Amino acid sequence: DAGITQSPRYKITETGRQVTLMCHQTWSHSYMFWYRQDLGHGLRLIYYSAAADITDKGEVPDGYVVSRSKTENFPLTLESATRSQTSVYFCASRTGGPGELFFGEGSRLTVL
Amino acid sequence: AQTVTQSQPEMSVQEAETVTLSCTYDTSESNYYLFWYKQPPSRQMILVIRQEAYKQQNATENRFSVNFQKAAKSFSLKISDSQLGDTAMYFCAFTSGTYKYIFGTGTRLKVLA
Repeated sequence: DAGITQSPRYKITETGRQVTLMCHQTWSHSYMFWYRQDLGHGLRLIYYSAAADITDKGEVPDGYVVSRSKTENFPLTLESATRSQTSVYFCASRTGGPGELFFGEGSRLTVL
Repeated sequence: AQTVTQSQPEMSVQEAETVTLSCTYDTSESNYYLFWYKQPPSRQMILVIRQEAYKQQNATENRFSVNFQKAAKSFSLKISDSQLGDTAMYFCAFTSGTYKYIFGTGTRLKVLA
């Protein structure tokens, strides 16, 4: 089915481990985004990408790495997970023009 | 700086009744987009309704409508004939068309049977 999918939906890891959250969209949207959602903070932008091979930092990029070698994929890597990165992560996409974001189902990450 | 404020952390409404969720924003831009997203317990963020600032007519989607007051920088969401499935967190969001989207902190709506 067309849409935007995230995997895994749930992940438990330990401090210091590397974790990669995957995001795949089938619409060929130009823009893709990674947000984290925490109680009291709402949605905060981690990284975004305007096109393949073009990425840029958002509001809270520290401790995260992204890549976008193909238009449809936008993985988010936590190189050395910390407890403060326990959160729900949302991937989103958008067309090249202004408009609404389309969200994935979210990935709940717990760092012990 | 652009901001979005949702002043009602929690609300409840009886099934079949009407409820209005408030959202105010601040921007110096003249053209922008406003959205209401619904986040049910399943966690999925679902677009409820969108409004382009250059359109004077208030957007409507079935039981959902907005009251867009550009001068007052207000963008409230009205849900008519509330249903149990409307129980969710509702987020107001703003973008001026760049990569940046500003989200409010959300209003938790509970529809009572």
